[in-house]
Amino acid sequence: DVKVTQSSRYLVKRTGEKVFLECVQDMDHENMFWYRQDPGLGLRLIYFSYDVKMKEKGDIPEGYSVSREKKERFSLILESASTNQTSMYLCASSPQTSGSTDTQYFGPGTRLTVL
Amino acid sequence: KQEVTQIPAALSVPEGENLVLNCSFTDSAIYNLQWFRQDPGKGLTSLLLIQSSQREQTSGRLNASLDKSSGRSTLYIAASQPGDSATYLCAVTTEGQNFVFGPGTRLSVLP
Repeated sequence: DVKVTQSSRYLVKRTGEKVFLECVQDMDHENMFWYRQDPGLGLRLIYFSYDVKMKEKGDIPEGYSVSREKKERFSLILESASTNQTSMYLCASSPQTSGSTDTQYFGPGTRLTVL
Repeated sequence: KQEVTQIPAALSVPEGENLVLNCSFTDSAIYNLQWFRQDPGKGLTSLLLIQSSQREQTSGRLNASLDKSSGRSTLYIAASQPGDSATYLCAVTTEGQNFVFGPGTRLSVLP
């Protein structure tokens, strides 16, 4: 059974803080993704990675960066958190290098509030 | 750019009813379409994946159909139960893109 875990379910941070969201998958998947989910906007892709040390910008990368030093771990970094980054953050992984023809497995999400 | 819409945004039905959720997409050149379920405050769980060469997929009380030429998919839920209450999202993949998600339909099944 695929398991994707995220380091925190709820997080409260102050404006300007540096924030790390961690995601770990245990199925040796090549592909990993970070989304944010906002009411009425659905899921929007922030960054994705098809391999270790590799990263690609998604639809809304501004204000975010990522790190993938190990295959199983994909970190999302908010360099200087702002209130408009308050959202639900979802991590996902999938097993194919093409990244577009197989299902994605999602973590439980981190609800981040920036005050 | 691919856009995905879902109608209705919310739906409330009595237990036992059959129901249909709709998903539309603007670019018919898709690789696949997938339906997900999301419980409140949780991540997404994959329900059905339809490859572009397929017309439908079934899993238990769920049936998803795909009409690529018209840019539409439907998710049919038979004999709905209160445990089916959740938000249902559809997502498509097209060449050069990852998943593009719709905004979801929030379903409430009343006992």
